[in-house]
Amino acid sequence: EAELLESGGGLVKPGGSLRLSCSASGFTFSTYVMNWVRQAPGKGLEWVAAISGSGGSPYYADSVKGRFTISRDNSKNTVFLRMNSLRGEDTAVYFCAKVGSGYYSNYFDSWGQGTLVTVSS
Amino acid sequence: DIQMTQSPSTLSASVGDRVTITCRASQSITSRLAWYQQKPGKAPKLLIYEASDLESGVPSRFSGRGSGTEFTLTITSLQPDDFSTYYCQQYESYSWTFGQGTKVEIK
Repeated sequence: EAELLESGGGLVKPGGSLRLSCSASGFTFSTYVMNWVRQAPGKGLEWVAAISGSGGSPYYADSVKGRFTISRDNSKNTVFLRMNSLRGEDTAVYFCAKVGSGYYSNYFDSWGQGTLVTVSS
Repeated sequence: DIQMTQSPSTLSASVGDRVTITCRASQSITSRLAWYQQKPGKAPKLLIYEASDLESGVPSRFSGRGSGTEFTLTITSLQPDDFSTYYCQQYESYSWTFGQGTKVEIK
């Protein structure tokens, strides 16, 4: 069974930076697209970024393009989200999520518990 | 980007009721539609994928239908554990989008 564990959240000032990590276990990490999804307090889910199994193809939501960078280290079964130029509207719980198995299975079948990022002065 | 619109935003129901949530896509997503359940303070849980396939371990009272742009999630005989928020998600493109959510609350 897949397990995902996020870390790295915290309080950061506007304009600051933070790096989130998501450690994975229970599946062949390097063969799956991994994602970050966030949820602002009291709001819905927003997909943030995705990265292919090899790490060669990142995808970003328009709201974070140019400020956030997704990467992965397949030797450590870990996916990262580097967040720069943070704004108040980036305040959210950030979840990492794994896609399903199979060619058309880009839904999210496993999720971490989330890590809270608060951007405030 | 593909926009996903859920209705209603809130649904009041009683234990034993049959409830249906609708999700509409701004363009055809064939059957690339998933449904998630989320409880407060918890991660979302996958219920349905490919519009109508039930995730392993999910009770059979949950079912999904639709294709193209119109989709539904139905819960037959609502149970106390089902009072949650539900989200649809399209995965047709590499720019995933969610509906705004439907909160199912106790009447």
